[in-house]
Amino acid sequence: EAQVTQNPRYLITVTGKKLTVTCSQNMNHEYMSWYRQDPGLGLRQIYYSMNVEVTDKGDVPEGYKVSRKEKRNFPLILESPSPNQTSLYFCASSLEDRGNTGELFFGEGSRLTVL
Amino acid sequence: KNQVEQSPQSLIILEGKNCTLQCNYTVSPFSNLRWYKQDTGRGPVSLTIMTFSENTKSNGRYTATLDADTKQSSLHITASQLSDSASYICVVSAGNNDMRFGAGTRLTVKP
Repeated sequence: EAQVTQNPRYLITVTGKKLTVTCSQNMNHEYMSWYRQDPGLGLRQIYYSMNVEVTDKGDVPEGYKVSRKEKRNFPLILESPSPNQTSLYFCASSLEDRGNTGELFFGEGSRLTVL
Repeated sequence: KNQVEQSPQSLIILEGKNCTLQCNYTVSPFSNLRWYKQDTGRGPVSLTIMTFSENTKSNGRYTATLDADTKQSSLHITASQLSDSASYICVVSAGNNDMRFGAGTRLTVKP
């Protein structure tokens, strides 16, 4: 089954404790992206990757890091989480290299709470 | 600033009724417009995608329209069902990875 898998789905952590949210897709997509979703706001892009070893900042990259060492994986790293990073996070992938005309496939989301 | 505005913010209708959701955008240049359905606690799922030359696209009981001149799109849901209760998100792409997401319309269908 074609899918984007995120882990963990739910996480409660404390300020400053490094964490990683994993994202894996089995569709051989070149394009992958991370978003955060907050109440009353649209999805905002954090980072994106057009292919292996190619990553770039989205609209709200501060406090986050990513890596793309393999085509299927695109982990999101919070080196020192802060309460303002409490949010619902989505990973997405697309066959199109710029995610423009191809359909975006989203993961199920990871709800992160930073105390 | 490229923006996507959706209205209404929320909507409650009775099962079996029709409804229309609106999306106005200022994104330029325009590449395509998509509508996504997001069930509570789930990731968004694509309903339709329209390019500049398309002014209507259907997916079952969902019909999206696009007026590129006025920069408006609508999503019409026919004969609503309880399972249509979800948030509907309009996404406009300017190309080159510039995708703008609306805040969504929260639809509740009541029996």
